[in-house]
Amino acid sequence: SQELEQSPQSLIVQEGKNLTINCTSSKTLYGLYWYKQKYGEGLIFLMMLQKGGEEKSHEKITAKLDEKKQQSSLHITASQPSHAGIYLCGADDYKLSFGAGTTVTVRA
Amino acid sequence: EAQVTQNPRYLITVTGKKLTVTCSQNMNHEYMSWYRQDPGLGLRQIYYSMNVEVTDKGDVPEGYKVSRKEKRNFPLILESPSPNQTSLYFCASTTTGGASSYEQYFGPGTRLTVT
Repeated sequence: SQELEQSPQSLIVQEGKNLTINCTSSKTLYGLYWYKQKYGEGLIFLMMLQKGGEEKSHEKITAKLDEKKQQSSLHITASQPSHAGIYLCGADDYKLSFGAGTTVTVRA
Repeated sequence: EAQVTQNPRYLITVTGKKLTVTCSQNMNHEYMSWYRQDPGLGLRQIYYSMNVEVTDKGDVPEGYKVSRKEKRNFPLILESPSPNQTSLYFCASTTTGGASSYEQYFGPGTRLTVT
């Protein structure tokens, strides 16, 4: 199955600052998903990327998939306390595989 | 409201006592799956089901069973739970709009502790 590596494992950011999370795959990605999870709760779908070079935005969150389709980044602009949580990338490899997650803490 | 429900949400049990975690979805999805989430390991798939009566092993199926007798339900069965099955479990269901276009809907999670 797909091996997905996320970095960093965790990060702390001051409210209002930007942050970036990376997801790297061992294989070409046919579909890349980003999810957000509040601690101990279910996952919430953020967005899906399929094409090389694709970029999608939702509110202050932007996700990109590189041309080679082996790396994706999630960028949050002007972070807020509501952005705190665990962000996971998932790869479409017939069945969905996930990275280990990045824990984001936003300090007021 | 489209949703995936799991029960129970929290469970503490003892080694060897059979238990079932139920999962139900109201979206008429064909594909359903079970994951466990452990610190540092992320989400790992236990079993999945492509449709009624069609199930297959995921990455960590040992110690678990599933069944899919109806489209909406996909229970996870631990015949003889052990402490290494202490984890947070998620059920998910998925649209199948093509090989690379599905989005998974996750249940709220079941926190299981086996002593």
